Amino acid sequence: DIQMTQSPSSLSASVGDRVTITCRASQSISKFLNWYQQKPGNAPHLLIYASSSLQSGVPSRFSGSGSGTDFTLTISSLQPEDFATYYCQQSHTTPWTFGQGTKVEI
Amino acid sequence: QLQLHESGPGLVKPSETLSLTCTVSGGSINSTNHYWGWIRQSPGKGLEWIASIYFSGTAYYNPSLKSRVIVSVDTSQSQFSLRLSSVTAADSAVYYCARQPRATAGIFLFWGQGTLVTVSS
Repeated sequence: DIQMTQSPSSLSASVGDRVTITCRASQSISKFLNWYQQKPGNAPHLLIYASSSLQSGVPSRFSGSGSGTDFTLTISSLQPEDFATYYCQQSHTTPWTFGQGTKVEI
Repeated sequence: QLQLHESGPGLVKPSETLSLTCTVSGGSINSTNHYWGWIRQSPGKGLEWIASIYFSGTAYYNPSLKSRVIVSVDTSQSQFSLRLSSVTAADSAVYYCARQPRATAGIFLFWGQGTLVTVSS
């Protein structure tokens, strides 16, 4: 299985901050990397697919980059509704696997 | 508007079989453009893909669970189902069903709200 490792596991930030989360795959996955946001009590919600493509309806302050084994999710200016847990997920090879999550807190 | 709704027992005894159903509304389960998947989330193992199925019945399984999992689809009821046998406490989790685009099958584009299943005697 391809292991996905996120860092940090949690971070504290303030409204307006620029936030970067990293995700590393245990082997090359080209650009088959997706990012999800999850708020307490809710299902994950797709933000970005194929490393850098913004899902319809997702604010442009979210962006993604990377290829191969190293990827980043950036929130350019953190908003109150962005406090949540973020997961990366590889869709290169089954079994599709997720990172352990990064909790963004105030 | 597409809706996915998971249903099934919230409590299952150890060694028994967990059975869940996902009902699809506002969209066609017969879509040639989508797969239908199951994912679970537990504090211990995080998010874990279980299996996915096409309307024709073609299914893909996570090898770590394959020996205990069966997924099926009932197009007449617009439902797909998950059966996980010989459950233990480690199978306690929130179980989600999701829709996946066929062209990019590994992306979980739309999720149900999830259902909590606890394995306990």
